[in-house]
Amino acid sequence: DQQVKQNSPSLSVQEGRISILNCDYTNSMFDYFLWYKKYPAEGPTFLISISSIKDKNEDGRFTVFLNKSAKHLSLHIVPSQPGDSAVYFCAARTTGNTPLVFGKGTRLSVIA
Amino acid sequence: EAGVAQSPRYKIIEKRQSVAFWCNPISGHATLYWYQQILGQGPKLLIQFQNNGVVDDSQLPKDRFSAERLKGVDSTLKIQPAKLEDSAVYLCASSLGTSGLNEQYFGPGTRLTVT
Repeated sequence: DQQVKQNSPSLSVQEGRISILNCDYTNSMFDYFLWYKKYPAEGPTFLISISSIKDKNEDGRFTVFLNKSAKHLSLHIVPSQPGDSAVYFCAARTTGNTPLVFGKGTRLSVIA
Repeated sequence: EAGVAQSPRYKIIEKRQSVAFWCNPISGHATLYWYQQILGQGPKLLIQFQNNGVVDDSQLPKDRFSAERLKGVDSTLKIQPAKLEDSAVYLCASSLGTSGLNEQYFGPGTRLTVT
């Protein structure tokens, strides 16, 4: 039973345009959501997070939107840069020091 | 600040052999995690330590996997005996505190191939 789903395995975007990565979840007890970025042969790196009490969090070129009623979150990258090419993982957890549950990831390719 | 160190980076073994991975977390980080990432999947938590005590090992296949964190610093993860389905990247991560909101920092991982 996959509690965090990233239904798009890959995404290609032109440099300068917006990248939108999507994530759906099934567990209504999740209250904290994170996005990680992973380059080949490296471990995932924390990118941005959002608490369930918010619907938007912004950090520079990265914005995460949370729609609790739809159990959906998205990561917007604007403008996209070639260095953003990586695998992006959506993760979620319930309250407390509980394990992160990861999606399968979306490979983003930003084309110059 | 030095990151999470892991060794070896790559390991190839035959099924039924044993293997051990080592992790050195960021200095001062109380919580240490071991994840298994199978190709095409997201990381899955195997075990979580807080200092040198186990917080969660519910997804650790205890018949063949074991882990320890002596003195609350370094940690080793062992597989004995290995199966073909254990082929994966094993990621170690650490976080400063015990709150679930503390950011987890990941090491580069150990890629295990079981033939």
